[in-house]
Formats: sequence, C-alpha cells, structure tokens
Amino acid sequence: DAKTTQPPSMDCAEGRAANLPCNHSTISGNEYVYWYRQIHSQGPQYIIHGLKNNETNEMASLIITEDRKSSTLILPHATLRDTAVYYCIVRVTHLNTNAGKSTFGDGTTLTVKP
Amino acid sequence: DTGVSQNPRHKITKRGQNVTFRCDPISEHNRLYWYRQTLGQGPEFLTYFQNEAQLEKSRLLSDRFSAERPKGSFSTLEIQRTEQGDSAMYLCASSILTNEQFFGPGTRLTVL
Repeated sequence: DAKTTQPPSMDCAEGRAANLPCNHSTISGNEYVYWYRQIHSQGPQYIIHGLKNNETNEMASLIITEDRKSSTLILPHATLRDTAVYYCIVRVTHLNTNAGKSTFGDGTTLTVKP
Repeated sequence: DTGVSQNPRHKITKRGQNVTFRCDPISEHNRLYWYRQTLGQGPEFLTYFQNEAQLEKSRLLSDRFSAERPKGSFSTLEIQRTEQGDSAMYLCASSILTNEQFFGPGTRLTVL
C-alpha cells in the first residue's frame, strides 16, 4: 500500500470549515483514498473514501486532485466534537481478494477551538 | 449495539504472564483484523482473517503472539510471556469484503 503524508497538527475555529490535506504521491491506479478519525480512547471511525471523483457524505467531503497525488478532507462546519486524530490511508479496492490491512501513518491531530 | 465488541477493555498483567483478548465482529462480516496502537502513533497491522483462514501476518506478530478465529465468527489474540513492550491498545476491526473497516473500542494492555 502507498505511503501517505499528513501535517502532524491543525487548529480550526468552531463553525468554520476544517480542511485536512494528505499527500499520496505514490498511489497506484487501483488504490482508493480512505479517511478515518480517532477520538481519544476510542477505535478509529470510518469517514469517507474515494477513487478519483470528489465524494460527499453526511460527515465530510473528499476532494482528490486530478493526478490523485493528494487529497483534502473537508469538515464543512467543525464542532468541538470533531477534535480527533484524522488518518488518511490508501489501499487497494475491495475487489482485490488480497486486500487486507490498512497502513496507518501518525495522522493529523485536529483541534477545534471555541 | 451491533458494532464490533472487544473484551476486556482493560487488562493489567505482570511481565511473563499470558493474556488473551476476544473480539466479536459485526455479524456476517467475513473479514476480521487485529491492530496494535502505541501512544501517539497510528494503528499497526498485526494480522487478518477471512472467515476462519488467517491470510496475512505482520512481522510484528512474534512467536509469542497467536490469533485464532475457529468458526469464522469471534477471534482471540493471545500473548504469551508478556513483556513491557507489549503494553499498547489492541484494536479489532471487521469488514465484509470492503475496505470500510469497522473498529472496536480496543483492549488496553498494561504490562508491569
């Protein structure tokens, strides 16, 4: 699985959009971009994933550059409960029967401030 | 609650003792994963099962570690002769042939 690079920490004001970047310059054509977050003392929680098109769900939006070498997770209206560590992962599609582990980096610690 | 459950949530043991953790995945999820996470770092992959078959093991999984999923449902992770370096959060996740893994709350192990 390709390696990802994320800033170690970011701050965001409550109610504002939080934009979390991720670089994945070695991503392969069959690898998806996944985002998880981990609130203190809990297991990671799935947020969103995408291949090359932008994606949106009730939690967040995912913007993937055209060359797929980077992406941005957008939390449109950050709340204090969004304070967490956010992990960007790239891995092969589930259609690959060898798909298994997720390789987590150290993530970005997002602190939402009142 | 139909999510992934792990027991116990906390375990304190003395060096040299054996410990066993249990993971109950989401019903009908055929893939089950074990990860280890130390303070300040992201989770590290240990091993995963598809049904009862253990398909991949990390180099992190030394001979003292063994994982089983006997009937393709719950799984156990055993650590023999624990060392202080084994102190970590042990996370279990499950999925149904997708990359969307659902994680449990973890078992925090402290080896004294």
